[in-house]
Amino acid sequence: QQQVKQSPQSLIVQKGGISIINCAYENTAFDYFPWYQQFPGKGPALLIAIRPDVSEKKEGRFTISFNKSAKQFSLHIMDSQPGDSATYFCAASIRVRTNSGYSTLTFGKGTMLLVSP
Amino acid sequence: KAGVTQTPRYLIKTRGQQVTLSCSPISGHRSVSWYQQTPGQGLQFLFEYFSETQRNKGNFPGRFSGRQFSNSRSEMNVSTLELGDSALYLCASSQSGTGGYEQYFGPGTRLTVT
Repeated sequence: QQQVKQSPQSLIVQKGGISIINCAYENTAFDYFPWYQQFPGKGPALLIAIRPDVSEKKEGRFTISFNKSAKQFSLHIMDSQPGDSATYFCAASIRVRTNSGYSTLTFGKGTMLLVSP
Repeated sequence: KAGVTQTPRYLIKTRGQQVTLSCSPISGHRSVSWYQQTPGQGLQFLFEYFSETQRNKGNFPGRFSGRQFSNSRSEMNVSTLELGDSALYLCASSQSGTGGYEQYFGPGTRLTVT
């Protein structure tokens, strides 16, 4: 059962354009939604994250839009640059909120983004 | 601060052998999680450790095991290797609890089973 569905699988965007990656989840108990960026030969790097009580979060050129009723969230990369070419993963988790709480990430399948010069 | 480190970076093993991978978390991080990354299945959660105790486990066979030491360093072991175990094994550390839930990944260990 795939709990987080990510689309598209691959995306080609021209330099300066907007890259949009979408994710949908099923489990309404998820309460933390991070995005990770992974370059070849590297581990995933945390890019930006959002909680469901916020509809949008922006950090530089990266914006997460969150639609709780539709159980969907998306990553927008404004003014896309060739250096943004990487694989992007959305994830969702349930945070166990205790003093030593934790979260376990459920990942989407990833989107390979290529920004052409 | 130094990031998450994993050793070795690359490993080639034969079917039936066993392997041990090591992970050193970011200083001050007490939670360590392990993930398997393959082209077909993507990133899948293996297990999570905190204070030397496994708190959560993914849907993997018992051949996959792990442990955490008192300094928060962690190891994972795969016994009786199968071809399908070829993957990138990623370790992620987190401060845990009030320190934050963000997970920071290491570069991974690329395991090839022949």
